[in-house]
Amino acid sequence: DSGVTQTPKHLITATGQRVTLRCSPRSGDLSVYWYQQSLDQGLQFLIHYYNGEERAKGNILERFSAQQFPDLHSELNLSSLELGDSALYFCASSPPKENTEAFFGQGTRLTVV
Amino acid sequence: AQSVSQHNHHVILSEAASLELGCNYSYGGTVNLFWYVQYPGQHLQLLLKYFSGDPLVKGIKGFEAEFIKSKFSFNLRKPSVQWSDTAEYFCAGAYSSASKIIFGSGTRLSIRP
Repeated sequence: DSGVTQTPKHLITATGQRVTLRCSPRSGDLSVYWYQQSLDQGLQFLIHYYNGEERAKGNILERFSAQQFPDLHSELNLSSLELGDSALYFCASSPPKENTEAFFGQGTRLTVV
Repeated sequence: AQSVSQHNHHVILSEAASLELGCNYSYGGTVNLFWYVQYPGQHLQLLLKYFSGDPLVKGIKGFEAEFIKSKFSFNLRKPSVQWSDTAEYFCAGAYSSASKIIFGSGTRLSIRP
């Protein structure tokens, strides 16, 4: 158990819908990263938050947004869902030290039907 | 742009064989390097990390990696693999200028019992 908690574990939803994925980082970690893992795209970096501020953005679609709250938990919002958004979404957190390792949650498996 | 590449997409070995998985990173300033493992149906777990110092780093489960600056490489090795090492292995780099952890495309390792 990495100490990073993601909910829900599984999510099945229809095209066009909106979902929210939640992540609680390890105690003491200030950074939260979001990644999308699909069979054909590998592990794609979406966004990084540090202590509530956006630090870096990757290949995140405009339909997707994220935020990190004062209690440091983070949410990833996916809207106008398409079949191609079906993937595993991982959250990871890391300690307040530059460029250090990240600890991953169990992921949320999103299936869009 | 910073990048991490893994050249072996799928490696098949017999038990007790030696393993070496390739990883190359691009130049982009100071970079810390990691190897992660993802067992089937599970999240990513950190195997080992390199920040500085001794270029030969030892990790968990008998894995080690060697940082060769002149070759921009950080290959993962294990002298004798077991069936339980069947998993996907990801090399990753955290660049000081990027504020994100960049992953390679992963190498799937299959071990024949």
